[in-house]
Amino acid sequence: EVQLVESGGGLVQPGGSLRLSCAVSGFPFMIHYMSWVRQAPGKGLEWVAKINPDGSGQSYVDSVKGRFTISRDNADNSLFLQLTSLRAEDTAVYYCASEYWFRFDYWGQGTLVTVSS
Amino acid sequence: QSALTQPPSASGSPGQSVTISCTGTSSDVGAYDHVSWYQHYTGKAPKLIIYEVNKRPSGVPDRFSGSKSGNTASLTVSGLQAEDEADYYCTSRTGRGTVIFGGGTKLTVL
Repeated sequence: EVQLVESGGGLVQPGGSLRLSCAVSGFPFMIHYMSWVRQAPGKGLEWVAKINPDGSGQSYVDSVKGRFTISRDNADNSLFLQLTSLRAEDTAVYYCASEYWFRFDYWGQGTLVTVSS
Repeated sequence: QSALTQPPSASGSPGQSVTISCTGTSSDVGAYDHVSWYQHYTGKAPKLIIYEVNKRPSGVPDRFSGSKSGNTASLTVSGLQAEDEADYYCTSRTGRGTVIFGGGTKLTVL
């Protein structure tokens, strides 16, 4: 059974940092592109970041470039998203998803990040 | 890059068909057949229901179908059922090798 389980969300003050994790099982993690997708309260889904299978290449949506860093540990089947310089507009549920040819096949249940003072 | 354009809402009665549009540009929807659709229930993980314009993953009912013409893709749900009431999102590959989402459409089954 395919499972993606996010963790690490929580309440953080503006300007603060947080590290999200996604534990993956049930499919060959090390050959998949992986992405983070978020949904702000009352808003639609937004692609945030993507990493290639060996971790050597990353892409980001313009609004998080320089603040967020996506990484992975293929030995541990884990995906990460380091969030820094957080803003109120980063408040969202963050989903990890496996990506295959620009489609997201498998998704986690999401972890909520709230940026507020 | 702006989100793909979807109608905010759509509705239909049980048994009817409804079509949701997704309009992009010649740099995304019009340029690639990597258009996907997702069904999303509040509080749940989104689910892939259509990929590469008109292909269905295993287990997705054939009531769901996709198409594309020019810069606009469409999702048609035939034989509407109560459980189809959800939010639907389209995505497309972009020229930057990333994925862009539509704004989402809330489908109501009357």
